[in-house]
Amino acid sequence: DVKVTQSSRYLVKRTGEKVFLECVQDMDHENMFWYRQDPGLGLRLIYFSYDVKMKEKGDIPEGYSVSREKKERFSLILESASTNQTSMYLCASSLPGLAGELFFGEGSRLTVL
Amino acid sequence: AQKITQTQPGMFVQEKEAVTLDCTYDTSDQSYGLFWYKQPSSGEMIFLIYQGSYDEQNATEGRYSLNFQKARKSANLVISASQLGDSAMYFCAMRGGSGTSYGKLTFGQGTILTVHP
Repeated sequence: DVKVTQSSRYLVKRTGEKVFLECVQDMDHENMFWYRQDPGLGLRLIYFSYDVKMKEKGDIPEGYSVSREKKERFSLILESASTNQTSMYLCASSLPGLAGELFFGEGSRLTVL
Repeated sequence: AQKITQTQPGMFVQEKEAVTLDCTYDTSDQSYGLFWYKQPSSGEMIFLIYQGSYDEQNATEGRYSLNFQKARKSANLVISASQLGDSAMYFCAMRGGSGTSYGKLTFGQGTILTVHP
């Protein structure tokens, strides 16, 4: 069964802390994505990666960075967490090409106090 | 830049009836892909259906069909014979085929569908 695994389902952090959200996929997919989901705003793309060590900014990259050192792992980093980064974070992966559907992880709900 | 718009925050339908969820998009790409996903209250994202911009036929998957009107830039989802289990959030999404949009998959705001018995 194909799987995208996010390391933490729930995190509570303090303002200013550095936060790492990890995502691992076992499908040998080239593409990996990080989204945040907020009520009324849908899913907004933060960053995506189409290959190891390659990354592209999405629509809301400010305050975030990413790392992809291995094909199966894509990490989202909040250098200095702020309260407006409280959200649900969804990782996804897909094959390349237009038709490659996204396979999603279960999500990581981050609360920044 | 590509954009997806879902103008219906919420929709209601009676069980066994059909319902259409609206989606319009904006892109300058000639080649692109359109997706619909379902998110039940459990939170998982479930892929429903895909339509390529060059596909001549509307995509269908079981009770789901995608009403693709390229000139109007719309990609509405039609669910036939609604079931109680169809109650969920539905997202329309688009993947760009060139330039800065290449590979990027952009989602709309979502529509909450409630199916009444």
